[in-house]
Amino acid sequence: DAKTTQPNSMESNEEEPVHLPCNHSTISGTDYIHWYRQLPSQGPEYVIHGLTSNVNNRMASLAIAEDRKSSTLILHRATLRDAAVYYCILDNAGNMLTFGGGTRLMVKP
Amino acid sequence: DAGVIQSPRHEVTEMGQEVTLRCKPISGHDYLFWYRQTMMRGLELLIYFNNNVPIDDSGMPEDRFSAKMPNASFSTLKIQPSEPRDSAVYFCASSSGANYGYTFGSGTRLTVV
Repeated sequence: DAKTTQPNSMESNEEEPVHLPCNHSTISGTDYIHWYRQLPSQGPEYVIHGLTSNVNNRMASLAIAEDRKSSTLILHRATLRDAAVYYCILDNAGNMLTFGGGTRLMVKP
Repeated sequence: DAGVIQSPRHEVTEMGQEVTLRCKPISGHDYLFWYRQTMMRGLELLIYFNNNVPIDDSGMPEDRFSAKMPNASFSTLKIQPSEPRDSAVYFCASSSGANYGYTFGSGTRLTVV
């Protein structure tokens, strides 16, 4: 399975944008890039996913590099409620999402 | 929509006892997944079903673990006999397919003493 590399942790100030990076240099042409987050004491929550083009939804934006070897999850205005572990996952439509270690985002007031 | 419903929320049992975890997926979702989360190993996929049929159980740790999905609205994960190393949070998730997103339940925190 293609793997992803994320920083273990990041800090952000409240109400500022946050850019969470993910490297996936061995991504294949059919791999979708998924992002989930897990708030404390909760199950993971779907955030966004994409294949080649940048994607936007009410929660976040996903910027995908032209060579697809990296992507960035963008939270446009971090709130304290966005403090969570963010997972970047590759999937080739095999319907088996394999979670890595993720990035723990801390948001400072 | 009540989401994915798991029960119980917490379970404490003695080593050697049988434990049954339950999951009700979102109506209309034809994929169901069981994950286990520990501090040491993170989130691990144990098994998943498509249309009530087990598709991949390669993540099931050993024969003490078994999972069933007798119908589209119910699944169980059973551990018999339970051991202290089975202590973890067990999540159930359902989906219409990976590209439609997974919805996770709130999890069952299992403690085996």
